[in-house]
Formats: sequence, structure tokens, C-alpha cells
Amino acid sequence: SQTIHQWPATLVQPVGSPLSLECTVEGTSNPNLYWYRQAAGRGLQLLFYSVGIGQISSEVPQNLSASRPQDRQFILSSKKLLLSDSGFYLCAWSDFRGTSAKYNEQFFGPGTRLTVL
Amino acid sequence: AQRVTQPEKLLSVFKGAPVELKCNYSYSGSPELFWYVQYSRQRLQLLLRHISRESIKGFTADLNKGETSFHLKKPFAQEEDSAMYYCALWGFQKLVFGTGTRLLVSP
Repeated sequence: SQTIHQWPATLVQPVGSPLSLECTVEGTSNPNLYWYRQAAGRGLQLLFYSVGIGQISSEVPQNLSASRPQDRQFILSSKKLLLSDSGFYLCAWSDFRGTSAKYNEQFFGPGTRLTVL
Repeated sequence: AQRVTQPEKLLSVFKGAPVELKCNYSYSGSPELFWYVQYSRQRLQLLLRHISRESIKGFTADLNKGETSFHLKKPFAQEEDSAMYYCALWGFQKLVFGTGTRLLVSP
């Protein structure tokens, strides 16, 4: 069966420090991968998605970047954190099925709670 | 661009009362809509999808293209339905979520 992991579960970082959040998926190949931020009152905001190794689409201009060095690994990074980067970060995956991708369920990881002080 | 609106941040009902969580969308193409749910201390997960026309845990949702709505309904709420509910729209190669509605069912 497929599983998705995220770490760390919680993170407290000072303003200006770097960030690296990791997400890995097991039990599937060539998944679509997504990073979301969940903020109170703002719902789920899609940050990045990837349809393959090295292919990253950015949805929102911001202080963050994403990379996909391996098929089932998705990394969210920042060189210098801002206070506004605090939030709950969710990674998700879905099967890629071409034109039927729009019907596919997204499976979410447990999330990382990031607090920037 | 697609947009999903959930006008209620919080919906509080008593056990056994009917529930309707509102969702309106804006999309130029043919929409594919979903409801996701997050129970306390659990992961966000799919509840139901429009294409399946299914009833899950007593919940149903009908797509009304004229009103551009996809409201989630249940005739008799249960305490275990208390959770955060997100409406989502698939369009332009991505899933866009609404801001969510917290449903609180009291005994």
C-alpha cells in the first residue's frame, strides 16, 4: 500500500534561518506531488506541484522554493525564513492518469507545524 | 482562474439536525468537485467526489451548475461528524481548495 511521510512534525526556527521540509512517498511510482500551506482562516493554499523529477510549478510568489530530486521525494526550502512563513505545511500525492487525473484523490501527509520567531 | 468559496467558517448544530455546508465555485470549464474532511488529529482525506455521485457516511453533494454550487448535506448530523470540511475544485491541472468550514455537532 502507498504511504506518505513528512518530517519534521514540528519545527521552531528564528527569522532569517534556512528551512528544509521533506516529504517522501512509498508504494507508488511517478506520482504527482504537492506542497500546501494551511493557515487559519485561509484554508489550503497550493504552493508548489510537481509532475516529475526536476519539474516544479510554483503557484504563489514567495520566500519558498521546492525541489524534487527523486521520483518520490519532494522538498520545501527557504534560504531565509520570514515571520509570515509560519503555518502548517502539508505534502500530498496523487496518481497521474493523464486526462483522468482530475478525478484522482489526493492523499495527504501528516503535516509539519512551522513556527518562525 | 478557478475559485472556491465556503462562506461559513463555523457551523454549529445539534445531533440529529440536518446539515448543509455551502460551497460555491467559479470556473470557466466543466468542473470536477470534491469534499475533503479533516477529523481531529487525523490527516486530511477525501470524503466524496462529484463524479462518483456517492453517499459517504450519510453525506451527499449535488453539483448545481446553474447556481455554481456543490453544497454538502446530511439529513441527521452525528457527533462524529464534527470536523473541518474543505470543498475543492479541479481545474487547470491542480486542485484548488476553499477556506474550509468547521462543523461542530453538539449532543
